[in-house]
Amino acid sequence: DSGVTQTPKHLITATGQRVTLRCSPRSGDLSVYWYQQSLDQGLQFLIQYYNGEERAKGNILERFSAQQFPDLHSELNLSSLELGDSALYFCASSVGGGPGTDTQYFGPGTRLTVL
Amino acid sequence: DAKTTQPPSMDCAEGRAANLPCNHSTISGNEYVYWYRQIHSQGPQYIIHGLKNNETNEMASLIITEDRKSSTLILPHATLRDTAVYYCIVRVPGYSSASKIIFGSGTRLSIRP
Repeated sequence: DSGVTQTPKHLITATGQRVTLRCSPRSGDLSVYWYQQSLDQGLQFLIQYYNGEERAKGNILERFSAQQFPDLHSELNLSSLELGDSALYFCASSVGGGPGTDTQYFGPGTRLTVL
Repeated sequence: DAKTTQPPSMDCAEGRAANLPCNHSTISGNEYVYWYRQIHSQGPQYIIHGLKNNETNEMASLIITEDRKSSTLILPHATLRDTAVYYCIVRVPGYSSASKIIFGSGTRLSIRP
């Protein structure tokens, strides 16, 4: 158990809908990262937040957005869902900062199925 | 694109040492080598990281060559629970845009009884 929690574990929805995935980082961690893992793309970095501010962006679609709240939990919002958005979505957290404090610990993931 | 090259698959007998190689010939001076593994569809699990010295923890050892262009992850006594995909990653520690983890294809390690 990494200490990172994600809800829900599974989500089934229809094309065109909007969903919100939630992540609670490990106690004391300030950084949150989101990753998408699909069968054909592997694990892809989406976005990173540090203490409420966006720090880095990866291959995140414009239909997707994220935020980190004052209590440091994070939400990933996916809208206008398409079949190709079906994937595992992982959240990771780290203390943040330099060597020794930025190792990322991953949550168990949310499996999204778009029908 | 991933900055590392790993064999797509390997196998190892249970109880033996599993040695997983990784090539990172373009590594820069401030990049560390990290290893993660993913068991089935679980979240990736951190194993170990290092800069230039060999490192050891309760899970594994990391051997980095002197020129830092390659490394080897060693699981000293592999068990069936070590069956997973192992990812070798190079990155700059911290929370800048250069610090994001770029996963490659990894090595699928199978442990045989």
